[in-house]
Amino acid sequence: GESVGLHLPTLSVQEGDNSIINCAYSNSASDYFIWYKQESGKGPQFIIDIRSNMDKRQGQRVTVLLNKTVKHLSLQIAATQPGDSAVYFCAENMDSGNTPLVFGKGTRLSVIA
Amino acid sequence: EPEVTQTPSHQVTQMGQEVILHCVPISNHLYFYWYRQILGQKVEFLVSFYNNEISEKSEIFDDQFSVERPDGSNFTLKIRSTKLEDSAMYFCASRLLTGELFFGEGSRLTVL
Repeated sequence: GESVGLHLPTLSVQEGDNSIINCAYSNSASDYFIWYKQESGKGPQFIIDIRSNMDKRQGQRVTVLLNKTVKHLSLQIAATQPGDSAVYFCAENMDSGNTPLVFGKGTRLSVIA
Repeated sequence: EPEVTQTPSHQVTQMGQEVILHCVPISNHLYFYWYRQILGQKVEFLVSFYNNEISEKSEIFDDQFSVERPDGSNFTLKIRSTKLEDSAMYFCASRLLTGELFFGEGSRLTVL
């Protein structure tokens, strides 16, 4: 079965609102998690990552939260902009070694102007 | 800013033909990957390559697939005899020993 998945396939938000995209993972051995953004016809673009020794990490307008107890990951985008419209994937692996990154199914974020 | 580059951006081929997709990973990276994405679906792992050999491969990466690093810069994916279901975006990626995986823009393969 799939080890990484997403709760919602689509999310529509008003421009300026905050967005929250959720992800569940099942491999408790994973210690590295990444959020990728994929615009139409392009490759996945790194947004933010977090290691399992952290609960929260902030970037520019984005925050990733990790709850290891329930194996849940979320991406928060503040003041969502039209340029944020894309598909967002969470991905997991073990940071050391060469275990491949496992992607979830993706959530399409649509920003309504 | 260093980037992973892929060619061609789009390849159309007849079923049964061989296809080679090309990638130039970021120069100081050590791990190289191929992923594919069927239209509208998630990104799926195909194969990883380290120290001039395959280190891991998925069920998708059967005998029809092969990878090669013919020189110090290129990393190719070959599909020997393409099938209709091989139609997808193929992404090359690379990284250092740990951390962020950098993806190329992808090569779209259309098998007719």
